[in-house]
Amino acid sequence: QITLKESGRTLVKPTQTLTLTCTFSGFSLNTNGEGVGWIRQPPGKALEWLAAIYWNNNTAYSPSLQSRLSITKEASKNQVLLTMTNMDPVDTATYYCAHRRHLGEGTTLLDYWGQGTLVTVSS
Amino acid sequence: DIVLTQSPDSLAVSLGERATISCKSNQNVLSISNNYNYLAWFQQKPGQPPKLLIYWASTRESGVPDRFSGSGSGTDFTLTIGSLQAEDVALYYCQQYYTFPLTFGGGTKLEIK
Repeated sequence: QITLKESGRTLVKPTQTLTLTCTFSGFSLNTNGEGVGWIRQPPGKALEWLAAIYWNNNTAYSPSLQSRLSITKEASKNQVLLTMTNMDPVDTATYYCAHRRHLGEGTTLLDYWGQGTLVTVSS
Repeated sequence: DIVLTQSPDSLAVSLGERATISCKSNQNVLSISNNYNYLAWFQQKPGQPPKLLIYWASTRESGVPDRFSGSGSGTDFTLTIGSLQAEDVALYYCQQYYTFPLTFGGGTKLEIK
């Protein structure tokens, strides 16, 4: 059974750096094909994909946010970290992490999602 | 980026009736190498994360009721709920995983008439 849970600060000030942790179980990022992605959803708005990391340390980022994002993994701890710099009120959103189903080379289908964590950016 | 446009933005359907949601892509998401459409549908209920319903445009996820079906190819896709149940009230999103950045449609809110 695959589960994921997001954690981190829920209130950050403008210009600060946000670090979120995704702690998962039911799979290992040491296993060929596995991956984890991050997605966010501003209140009342649509979903936006942010980044992904894979078992082989490959990463992918949203081009519009790439300069502010960093995704890393601590496979031995079953954790993936997302760092976002220079936070702004427009970054207020629920941040989700999700498991990547391995359907073959080049596919990133996000099948199991964490419950999400609401991050508010305010002074 | 691939832009996915869903329609309608909101939809009210009577219990037991059919609900149809459209998702149009500005680029093809059909792979010629494997003939798969890299298109998924998600359901999101208030306060919950999205739940995967359909992938490869028409493959139902395990445990999803068979009243949910997906169709379409290339750039035009449809999610159909064959006989609406009260528990189907939710937001529905399409999403492409053909290429990075992964992108989602704007969502369709489904309500009971």
